[in-house]
Amino acid sequence: GAGVSQSPSNKVTEKGKDVELRCDPISGHTALYWYRQRLGQGLEFLIYFQGNSAPDKSGLPSDRFSAERTGESVSTLTIQRTQQEDSAVYLCASSLGGGRTEAFFGQGTRLTVV
Amino acid sequence: GENVEQHPSTLSVQEGDSAVIKCTYSDSASNYFPWYKQELGKRPQLIIDIRSNVGEKKDQRIAVTLNKTAKHFSLHITETQPEDSAVYFCAATPGFQKLVFGTGTRLLVSP
Repeated sequence: GAGVSQSPSNKVTEKGKDVELRCDPISGHTALYWYRQRLGQGLEFLIYFQGNSAPDKSGLPSDRFSAERTGESVSTLTIQRTQQEDSAVYLCASSLGGGRTEAFFGQGTRLTVV
Repeated sequence: GENVEQHPSTLSVQEGDSAVIKCTYSDSASNYFPWYKQELGKRPQLIIDIRSNVGEKKDQRIAVTLNKTAKHFSLHITETQPEDSAVYFCAATPGFQKLVFGTGTRLLVSP
């Protein structure tokens, strides 16, 4: 596709359920980022994938959060046993050359935990 | 790890005035500094960036300056227009790796 695609656009889940968010980066982009943005807040770094290197997981807030990426393609962010404080927009971004070139963001997944 | 501070958190100006947003970073290994604009309900988009081997960069009404010694960089918007109203985020990339964002500045340009 022409841009970064995220699915679903919106997700409402019950507290305690697991959710899986998907990100399709721009073809050929080796770097992929996940961020969390709470309402009216900034971009909180979660995890960074660069090619075949070990991912930088330093931003994951708890062991309920995990992410995977297959090669240089699709990534999934999984949140287990969701809690109300997980409610936020989850943004994915990709870039051609890691932290040296423009990162393009997806439209985000708005997660609401009820 | 890298820590990016951004000021002010909100900025209100009259149309035609200039706006300046300032950021400081902590990791001397950071060498790429992009600025993103996020309009209400939309995704962040790059508006300008600067690399550590350059002190200043301009693109029409926007400019960015970098002081590596002091570890700070600034965004300057001249002749502001109502459509400049948005949240602006600075970022730094230690070692050309992950993007670490500042906390954002909400800019309001009044007609």
